Amino acid sequence: DAKTTQPPSMDCAEGRAANLPCNHSTISGNEYVYWYRQIHSQGPQYIIHGLKNNETNEMASLIITEDRKSSTLILPHATLRDTAVYYCIVPRNSGNTPLVFGKGTRLSVIA
Amino acid sequence: NAGVTQTPKFRVLKTGQSMTLLCAQDMNHEYMYWYRQDPGMGLRLIHYSVGEGTTAKGEVPDGYNVSRLKKQNFLLGLESAAPSQTSVYFCASSYGQLLRETQYFGPGTRLLVL
Repeated sequence: DAKTTQPPSMDCAEGRAANLPCNHSTISGNEYVYWYRQIHSQGPQYIIHGLKNNETNEMASLIITEDRKSSTLILPHATLRDTAVYYCIVPRNSGNTPLVFGKGTRLSVIA
Repeated sequence: NAGVTQTPKFRVLKTGQSMTLLCAQDMNHEYMYWYRQDPGMGLRLIHYSVGEGTTAKGEVPDGYNVSRLKKQNFLLGLESAAPSQTSVYFCASSYGQLLRETQYFGPGTRLLVL
């Protein structure tokens, strides 16, 4: 996978937007950016993925910069239940290799 | 649909004992995976399977064996458990033709080896 860099932790006030950054400066070709999250003691959960254009679904929005070297996951109205570890993953496009989960960003939503 | 289920949820073993963890999925997914997660760490891939009857090694395969005799089941075996195998084990599955596609995870099995 292309190397990704995420801050180890972030705080966000409940009801506010949570903006989680991810740097992936070595991204190349048609490599996608995936986001997963893991709520304490549960299995990881897929959130969203994108290639070039911004993406939105019922859970979040994904903003990818024009040069594709970084992206931001946005939770528009964070709730306490969004407290989790968020993983940004850029799988290698060549060959058929599994995802690599790093340490992610621990988001704490505070009341 | 139950999605991905794991059995058991929790287990305590003594060093040297053996056990099998069962993962089942009802989504007709081709690919299945076993991960382990240690405190403060990300997930590490143990073994995976790209179809019934196939298995492949992941990042940390030593001390584990797997089998995929049926498409819906993926078994993870510990032949001789060691304290270093104390961890939370997650199973996942995916539909697509590539390993990077969206994965769906089970609730995890917590294993303590004394």
